[in-house]
Amino acid sequence: DAGITQSPRHKVTETGTPVTLRCHQTENHRYMYWYRQDPGHGLRLIHYSYGVKDTDKGEVSDGYSVSRSKTEDFLLTLESATSSQTSVYFCAISESNQPQHFGDGTRLSIL
Amino acid sequence: SQQGEEDPQALSIQEGENATMNCSYKTSINNLQWYRQNSGRGLVHLILIRSNEREKHSGRLRVTLDTSKKSSSLLITASRAADTASYFCATALGNQFYFGTGTSLTVIP
Repeated sequence: DAGITQSPRHKVTETGTPVTLRCHQTENHRYMYWYRQDPGHGLRLIHYSYGVKDTDKGEVSDGYSVSRSKTEDFLLTLESATSSQTSVYFCAISESNQPQHFGDGTRLSIL
Repeated sequence: SQQGEEDPQALSIQEGENATMNCSYKTSINNLQWYRQNSGRGLVHLILIRSNEREKHSGRLRVTLDTSKKSSSLLITASRAADTASYFCATALGNQFYFGTGTSLTVIP
């Protein structure tokens, strides 16, 4: 989607290694979200941000941390990756009470 | 979990037919949204219906909302092969969104 860039798009790593996923927006939207998508579960919220340095936990936050030091960037970190964190990760942005706009996802495999 | 559930999980129809998907949810909402996801891509917003609205139209899409039953339906009329995708409902409470597990729609040419 124009205005939202996720990097990397694909990553394969080993259990126990740290991993950081980046979401970059050019829309100046206040809210940014990280979701994971797994078969049979739909999208589940990991963390979200409502402003610079303002973040909160979602439904499945254990094992993940986030940071937002600039309006345009929202980072998701897996401090020590586990195989259960193999998933497709989506970033989304929105303004208050407005629909979300999604990036194209990062496919993460942890071996 | 506040996650919604779509029904059916999978739907296969002929081109030109109508497709109906249903969504049930558990909590109070500000609004309910429908999204579409093509394989390998992110979700794309289709339509938003507010909690005080009962029906909304957008092109070939018709959405209904029944807050007393905590349910919504998405109707796609005169389906096309290009409508083949997964469709998700999402409920919004404050600025958090809760997605269902999706309906996989296949439109056969």
